Amino acid sequence: KQEVTQIPAALSVPEGENLVLNCSFTDSAIYNLQWFRQDPGKGLTSLLLIQSSQREQTSGRLNASLDKSSGRSTLYIAASQPGDSATYLCAAPNSGGSNYKLTFGKGTLLTVNP
Amino acid sequence: KAGVTQTPRYLIKTRGQQVTLSCSPISGHRSVSWYQQTPGQGLQFLFEYFSETQRNKGNFPGRFSGRQFSNSRSEMNVSTLELGDSALYLCASSLGQGFSVTQYFGPGTRLLVL
Repeated sequence: KQEVTQIPAALSVPEGENLVLNCSFTDSAIYNLQWFRQDPGKGLTSLLLIQSSQREQTSGRLNASLDKSSGRSTLYIAASQPGDSATYLCAAPNSGGSNYKLTFGKGTLLTVNP
Repeated sequence: KAGVTQTPRYLIKTRGQQVTLSCSPISGHRSVSWYQQTPGQGLQFLFEYFSETQRNKGNFPGRFSGRQFSNSRSEMNVSTLELGDSALYLCASSLGQGFSVTQYFGPGTRLLVL
């Protein structure tokens, strides 16, 4: 059974700081891993999807890495802004191979202070 | 392109009643997944439908059921509601095949059971 853990549970940083969010998963036989963002009371917004054949994926100020052998992924946010304040979730497919049955971590609540 | 839409956005029900939630996926997407989000358990996978067939199922009791129509719209039904069913119910759509597995989430339906 896939288990996903995110550390830290909450993070508060001043504007402009670079930061790293961590995600670990127990079953490394995955084809991909996704990072999402959730604003309070809203649905999830897909940020990045990393295929198992990739080590990194970038979108603007976001960079996600995937290390299957160690069961870890990181989301790097450069030059953070107050608008980045949200909960960040990582999700890995469940054991058994289906890409559409995701296990989510509990998320990291990020606050970027002006 | 219109995003994933969910109706209704908010619902209040009493214990023992049943409820039906609706999800319209992004045009061209054939996979629809449902998730339950609560403060204690986080996001948990309910089921996934592809081309009108349930392809994946989570560990929820039989009171939770779903279906998908030929236009890919999906409904989720919860019978004999319990207080613990109060949650944000999210649906997500994706193409459902190939390597493009990114899931796009709707805004959710917030269900309160009294």
